[in-house]
Amino acid sequence: EADIYQTPRYLVIGTGKKITLECSQTMGHDKMYWYQQDPGMELHLIHYSYGVNSTEKGDLSSESTVSRIRTEHFPLTLESARPSHTSQYLCASSDSPTTNEKLFFGSGTQLSVL
Amino acid sequence: RKEVEQDPGPFNVPEGATVAFNCTYSNSASQSFFWYRQDCRKEPKLLMSVYSSGNEDGRFTAQLNRASQYISLLIRDSKLSDSATYLCVVIVSGGSYIPTFGRGTSLIVHP
Repeated sequence: EADIYQTPRYLVIGTGKKITLECSQTMGHDKMYWYQQDPGMELHLIHYSYGVNSTEKGDLSSESTVSRIRTEHFPLTLESARPSHTSQYLCASSDSPTTNEKLFFGSGTQLSVL
Repeated sequence: RKEVEQDPGPFNVPEGATVAFNCTYSNSASQSFFWYRQDCRKEPKLLMSVYSSGNEDGRFTAQLNRASQYISLLIRDSKLSDSATYLCVVIVSGGSYIPTFGRGTSLIVHP
C-alpha cells in the first residue's frame, strides 16, 4: 500500500469559508500532484510540484492555491469556497523525474460546498 | 479534441468473457502509457504499464500501436472483481512529464 494520506476524507462546508485540504506522503517523493474529479469524469490536473518550493498550475483553471515547504507535505487551499468547488480532490505523488511515472494516490477528499 | 479519449462504456459482460478497451491519444510525442484501475469512490491504482512490444500480466494484456496512436487493454476470463473503471494514462516527452488521464471505461462483470 502507498504511504500517502489525505485529510479530511469528507468535508461539508458553507459558501465563503476558507478550507485547506491536507496531503502528506512518507515515501520521499519529489513530484506531487492535485487532481480534481467529478463523478464519471476524468481526472483534471489542478496543481503540481517538482519538489520543495516548486509549484505549478495544471490544465484546469482553479481558484485554489498550493504550497510545498516540505517534501512530504502538499496542502491545497481554497480561500473562499463556492458550490462550484464541490468535487473529489485526489492527491498523488511519484518518485520518477521523467516518463516512467507510477503515481501513488491518496484516498481523496470529497468536498461539498453548500 | 481531448488529449486522451476512451469509450466510457459501460461494458457489461458475463463472467468468463474476454473484453477489450481502446484508448486513443492525440499527441504524437507521447512516450509513456499506462492503465490504471479505479473502483467506485476509490483512488486510481496502477494496473500495468504499456510497453512498445506489448506486455502481459496474468489475464491482462496491453498493446501499443504508435502508428494509429492508440493503446488497448484485453482482459481474459473476466471475474466479478474486475468490475471497475479502467483509466488510460499518457505522458508526453519533452515537456513537464505530467500524466494525462482519460475519462475511463466502465466495466461491469455479471454472474
